[in-house]
Amino acid sequence: KAGVTQTPRYLIKTRGQQVTLSCSPISGHRSVSWYQQTPGQGLQFLFEYFSETQRNKGNFPGRFSGRQFSNSRSEMNVSTLELGDSALYLCASSDPGLAVYEQYFGPGTRLTVT
Amino acid sequence: QKEVEQDPGPLSVPEGAIVSLNCTYSNSAFQYFMWYRQYSRKGPELLMYTYSSGNKEDGRFTAQVDKSSKYISLFIRDSQPSDSATYLCAVGLRGADGLTFGKGTHLIIQP
Repeated sequence: KAGVTQTPRYLIKTRGQQVTLSCSPISGHRSVSWYQQTPGQGLQFLFEYFSETQRNKGNFPGRFSGRQFSNSRSEMNVSTLELGDSALYLCASSDPGLAVYEQYFGPGTRLTVT
Repeated sequence: QKEVEQDPGPLSVPEGAIVSLNCTYSNSAFQYFMWYRQYSRKGPELLMYTYSSGNKEDGRFTAQVDKSSKYISLFIRDSQPSDSATYLCAVGLRGADGLTFGKGTHLIIQP
């Protein structure tokens, strides 16, 4: 099975712009979670989608949003980018029909905001 | 107090040594305990997970959970240079907001 794929892998944006990141989960996985990883804060949960519905949400401002499509692919959007949004954004897929919280991560999108 | 505490290291040991990596957590309600390995410029890779106190073994890796002390450990036997990576512990609750991760321990295995 192919793993979790994320596009693009690297992105450079300017403060104030918006960005959309994409994630394709492992075939058959219906849950997609997004995380932000920074050296200072580590890995922090953004939100989780299951069957096109946001099921859980972390403690991030409303500038961070996401959605999931019927084929389980997911996108996350960050509007009005700030310098502090520079991070590695990781997507993880899982299937609650298997072991709960057995999440498989993609390689991430490294976002740099200048 | 952070929910999950993990020493960032770096932890440097010679090849063949037994490695002990540890985390403490604050919320006794956590039900799931996981260890991930992350190589540079890669996403985290699930190594092991468990739902209960006690030990779980997989090859050279042993995960240990002590719920009474809120302490989780990962032991690596016969460590190899290829084990050099950042190891992240994570805890979770059924139906709750994703996983809570430690900041990771950077492990270096010297050949």
